[in-house]
Amino acid sequence: DAGVIQSPRHEVTEMGQEVTLRCKPISGHNSLFWYRQTMMRGLELLIYFNNNVPIDDSGMPEDRFSAKMPNASFSTLKIQPSEPRDSAVYFCASSATSGGRQETQYFGPGTRLLVL
Amino acid sequence: GDSVTQMEGPVTLSEEAFLTINCTYTATGYPSLFWYVQYPGEGLQLLLKATKADDKGSNKGFEATYRKETTSFHLEKGSVQVSDSAVYFCALTGNQFYFGTGTSLTVIP
Repeated sequence: DAGVIQSPRHEVTEMGQEVTLRCKPISGHNSLFWYRQTMMRGLELLIYFNNNVPIDDSGMPEDRFSAKMPNASFSTLKIQPSEPRDSAVYFCASSATSGGRQETQYFGPGTRLLVL
Repeated sequence: GDSVTQMEGPVTLSEEAFLTINCTYTATGYPSLFWYVQYPGEGLQLLLKATKADDKGSNKGFEATYRKETTSFHLEKGSVQVSDSAVYFCALTGNQFYFGTGTSLTVIP
């Protein structure tokens, strides 16, 4: 079975450019999560969706970040404009939710973003 | 609110040493508990889990027992290998998922 798929795997861009990260969750999972990981701040939850609806976006750093989930099989995380401090590894994860309870999260391989 | 607290790292052990990484939790209700592992350059992978009190999760020689009386889920392995070098995350889930801060383990030959 295919796991969580993320693209691109690596992105190098210049400050001020728009960056779009993509994620395809595991088929049948109804929850999707975006995380950011850095050495300084560790693993941070940015936003999570349930049944394509954003439930908690309190971790989104600022208005430069936005996330969408237009359907059950696709989500994007966009940074516009990008800044050097956005350099990090961005992970997407998905899980099934049953009876209001989340089950095991499965992570994608991550997108390594470097903003110059 | 719900949370997990795991021991600070980094941890450095010699090959074949015994490993314990402590994890305690705070939760309302009856959460499921997890250990995830992250190898260098990779995403987090589920290592083991336990869904109710006294359950023991195990995988790849690692074990952890869900202790409700001490609100703990400590990770143990009897004999670590160099290939176990990674970052280990404790996590719990109820209506949301909460990760600990991660503990870095380095095993030296």
